[in-house]
Amino acid sequence: EVQLVESGGGLVQPGGSLRLSCAGSGFSLSRYWMYWVRQAPGEGLQYVATMKPDGTEKYYLGSVRGRFTISNDIAKNSLYLEMNSLRGDDTAVYYCARDGVGVGPDFDNWGQGALVTVSS
Amino acid sequence: QSVLTQPPSVSAAPGQKVTISCSGSSSNIGDNCVSWYQQLPGTAPRLLIYDCYKRPSGIPDRFSGSKSDTSATLDISGLQTGDEADYYCGTWDNVLSAYAFGAGTKVTVL
Repeated sequence: EVQLVESGGGLVQPGGSLRLSCAGSGFSLSRYWMYWVRQAPGEGLQYVATMKPDGTEKYYLGSVRGRFTISNDIAKNSLYLEMNSLRGDDTAVYYCARDGVGVGPDFDNWGQGALVTVSS
Repeated sequence: QSVLTQPPSVSAAPGQKVTISCSGSSSNIGDNCVSWYQQLPGTAPRLLIYDCYKRPSGIPDRFSGSKSDTSATLDISGLQTGDEADYYCGTWDNVLSAYAFGAGTKVTVL
């Protein structure tokens, strides 16, 4: 069974940093593009970042480019999101998601989410 | 402001059918297929439709998707109370080089 489990969320002050982790099981990260998607309180879904399993391609939402970094550790079958210079509008539940078998991106498995709250 | 436009809400009685539209442009839906996601209150989203019309295993055939030019549609037939949720369309946008979600449509079963 495929599982994704996020960790590392919490309360951080504006301008601070946080690192989210997503541990995968039941499949190998080496074979799948992976994504981070967030959802602000009461709002819709928003794409944050994605990466190719070999790390040669990474793409970001414009408003996080230069502040957030997506990475993985294939040996640990884990995905990460390093978040710096955090702002209030980064407050959200952050989900990791696996790209499925379709021709285009489609998220066939999601984690339970990690809440990040940016506030003083 | 999303590049994909969905109606904020739709509603129908149990057993009826609802249709959710997702309107985009040549840089997203016009050039790529659409996925649809269901998000029940307090839970993570679930993939309902991928590659415009395909269903993952375990998704009932009451859910169907289609695409025409720069628009896509999700139909839910035989509506059930358990279908009350938020529904999102999504696809890659070639100009933004980013994945785009619609703002979501809340389905209410009357």
